[in-house]
Amino acid sequence: AQSVSQHNHHVILSEAASLELGCNYSYGGTVNLFWYVQYPGQHLQLLLKYFSGDPLVKGIKGFEAEFIKSKFSFNLRKPSVQWSDTAEYFCAVNARGNTPLVFGKGTRLSVIA
Amino acid sequence: DVKVTQSSRYLVKRTGEKVFLECVQDMDHENMFWYRQDPGLGLRLIYFSYDVKMKEKGDIPEGYSVSREKKERFSLILESASTNQTSMYLCASRTGSHQPQHFGDGTRLSIL
Repeated sequence: AQSVSQHNHHVILSEAASLELGCNYSYGGTVNLFWYVQYPGQHLQLLLKYFSGDPLVKGIKGFEAEFIKSKFSFNLRKPSVQWSDTAEYFCAVNARGNTPLVFGKGTRLSVIA
Repeated sequence: DVKVTQSSRYLVKRTGEKVFLECVQDMDHENMFWYRQDPGLGLRLIYFSYDVKMKEKGDIPEGYSVSREKKERFSLILESASTNQTSMYLCASRTGSHQPQHFGDGTRLSIL
């Protein structure tokens, strides 16, 4: 069975600091990869996705993620965080074919002024 | 824009009650999903459906059932609610495996 590991449960950063959230998955086949964000009181929204092609994927709000196949990783990055990035971030994976997403446990990001 | 609508934002029920959570999507999506979200546990898949009248068990189906009589509607049923089913329930839909899942606002269910 697939599983997704997010290494950090809670990350606290100052505004303008750089962000990197780790995500590793366990599945040997071809996968689709996603990062979702959940702002306080809101529904989950897609930040970015990777299916194939360039392993460096750019998403909304200045976020990007890099797929490293040899490391089974899909880490999320942002060069300079803002207070409005305070949210919970979820990495998700599904195997190719019509399979449901498997989510990590999430990383809570708190950005302080 | 895809709209996934869950019938209630907050719901309070008593143990032993039969509880229905409703989800409707407006984009003719084939696939629909029910997750529960608990602090520190992320999202866990309860049931999903790839087509009308089809259902598949997810990772934690015990104590739940589902119904999909129409393509746009996917209902989650708690047959006999228990306190350990107090949680946030999220519905999602998508058109195919390469496409992202779109989520509703969630139903925060409390079982007393």
